[in-house]
Amino acid sequence: ETGVTQTPRHLVMGMTNKKSLKCEQHLGHNAMYWYKQSAKKPLELMFVYNFKEQTENNSVPSRFSPECPNSSHLFLHLHTLQPEDSALYLCASSQDWGTSGKQETQYFGPGTRLLVL
Amino acid sequence: AQSVTQLDSQVPVFEEAPVELRCNYSSSVSVYLFWYVQYPNQGLQLLLKYLSGSTLVKGINGFEAEFNKSQTSFHLRKPSVHISDTAEYFCAVSESSARQLTFGSGTQLTVLP
Repeated sequence: ETGVTQTPRHLVMGMTNKKSLKCEQHLGHNAMYWYKQSAKKPLELMFVYNFKEQTENNSVPSRFSPECPNSSHLFLHLHTLQPEDSALYLCASSQDWGTSGKQETQYFGPGTRLLVL
Repeated sequence: AQSVTQLDSQVPVFEEAPVELRCNYSSSVSVYLFWYVQYPNQGLQLLLKYLSGSTLVKGINGFEAEFNKSQTSFHLRKPSVHISDTAEYFCAVSESSARQLTFGSGTQLTVLP
């Protein structure tokens, strides 16, 4: 029980589809993250939200659109994706983001395995 | 800028043998260091972390790691592995002045019977 859940666990979509990934954390954390994990590549940080405000966007294409309605929920809306977007998308949370001199431990969900056809 | 190198992409080892997974980082300032494990079809789980203090850090499942500042390394070790340790292991670094974690590309540990 990691305290971070993600749905769906698997998703297959066409390039013209619109879908959303959902993440929920039950840890009382204030910061939430989206990462992309592609085969044989390091994890890539996509977005960070702290207290529902987006604080980081690492040059992610606009076909990925995050939404954070509250500190417990994070969504990733997908539209007109490309086959190279196929990957494992991981959500994580931590107590806070960017507290000076302190690195908060991040807790990860199980991920959504996305296949774009 | 911080970066992480995991020198071995795959490490096969027999059950009950010792193992060391290597991690080197590049940074000119103080760092925080982490090891995460990812079992098949699961997310990442924190094994251990170094923030300050003793350079030998003990984690879960019998793993430990040693921070070596002069060699900029944070190698992960276990004296006797089990089949259940088969997983992918990720080293990560964060500069004390930064807020992002930078991950290595991972090491697949396969424990053979």
